[in-house]
Amino acid sequence: GAGVSQSPSNKVTEKGKDVELRCDPISGHTALYWYRQSLGQGLEFLIYFQGNSAPDKSGLPSDRFSAERTGGSVSTLTIQRTQQEDSAVYLCASSLGGRTNTGELFFGEGSRLTVL
Amino acid sequence: AQSVTQLDSHVSVSEGTPVLLRCNYSSSYSPSLFWYVQHPNKGLQLLLKYTSAATLVKGINGFEAEFKKSETSFHLTKPSAHMSDAAEYFCVVSAASGGSYIPTFGRGTSLIVHP
Repeated sequence: GAGVSQSPSNKVTEKGKDVELRCDPISGHTALYWYRQSLGQGLEFLIYFQGNSAPDKSGLPSDRFSAERTGGSVSTLTIQRTQQEDSAVYLCASSLGGRTNTGELFFGEGSRLTVL
Repeated sequence: AQSVTQLDSHVSVSEGTPVLLRCNYSSSYSPSLFWYVQHPNKGLQLLLKYTSAATLVKGINGFEAEFKKSETSFHLTKPSAHMSDAAEYFCVVSAASGGSYIPTFGRGTSLIVHP
């Protein structure tokens, strides 16, 4: 597509429920990132996918968080047993990746998660 | 290892006056540096980037940044602020480490523009 697409744009859930957030990157971008932005905070790195390599999960805050990327394209971030501190905007970004990667990111509009 | 420090959490200017948003970085490798802007309830947009070419980088909407290796700085400037510049600005450092690029974001600087 023309840009990075994320869904849902807004999600309200109850504490303890599972949620799935979806990201559709720019076509041809091999690198995909998930970041979390809490109110008034910077961006916190969560996970990084590059092509068919094993993802870098070093930023995931707990084992309740997981992500997958199917067919090197669409990615889903799953949060199990949500807690109130998980409330944030979850941002997905993609980039060219590979040898030409300069680290320039193209962001989606984000998924705002509210846990009641 | 890499990190970035944005020296001001808030900067307040009057419309028509210069803007200076300060950023210092550290990186074990030759870094690429970026400034992104985020308007309220919007996604992040790239303002400009430095990737080892000219040290003075021009971006969109009249913004510039100068890469100073000796000072490990990448400050963002604009000669004359406009009301529409009011937003959150993020300085970002990124360098290849074992073939991996994971950009690191600063905590952001909120630019307030007074009429």
